[in-house]
Amino acid sequence: GNSVTQMEGPVTLSEEAFLTINCTYTATGYPSLFWYVQYPGEGLQLLLKATKADDKGSNKGFEATYRKETTSFHLEKGSVQVSDSAVYFCALSGGGTASKLTFGTGTRLQVTL
Amino acid sequence: EPEVTQTPSHQVTQMGQEVILRCVPISNHLYFYWYRQILGQKVEFLVSFYNNEISEKSEIFDDQFSVERPDGSNFTLKIRSTKLEDSAMYFCASTGWENTEAFFGQGTRLTVV
Repeated sequence: GNSVTQMEGPVTLSEEAFLTINCTYTATGYPSLFWYVQYPGEGLQLLLKATKADDKGSNKGFEATYRKETTSFHLEKGSVQVSDSAVYFCALSGGGTASKLTFGTGTRLQVTL
Repeated sequence: EPEVTQTPSHQVTQMGQEVILRCVPISNHLYFYWYRQILGQKVEFLVSFYNNEISEKSEIFDDQFSVERPDGSNFTLKIRSTKLEDSAMYFCASTGWENTEAFFGQGTRLTVV
């Protein structure tokens, strides 16, 4: 079945530091890949997505590239802010009718001044 | 911007009681989902619903669970006889006809005592 593996957290960075959160996946076929963010006390928000190999998703300074050869979708940001503190979930969707999301375990990011 | 709304935001119930969690998906969406997140753990798929029937369900979604779309706008999750281990955040999600991006509600925190 499908699965997503994310790097363990928490990740603690100083403001303006470079962020990488690793994500690798196992899936049959051609999944779509997503990063969701969960701010404290809130629900899940889609951060970015990529639907085919070599696509780059980007939003709010975050980027991730769909790498089929390494089955990865690592999240990066060049300069994090305190407001980026949240839990980040990598997820995949297998496609097709009513396709469910399979989530990774989530990575907590704490950004300090 | 359209959004998925869930009620209540927090529900406390006694073990063995029935609970109904309510969701109003985005109005023109076709696919509906329930997920849960036990505190500190990953988001897990429960069930997907399309064209007024269950499309897929996980092993978590046993006979104690049921879903319904009673009136064309609401989408409910019923747990017939709650157990302590049902305590979790429950998220409703919906997707449109392209089924490429799931929009999540803010969640209902269920506490079984």
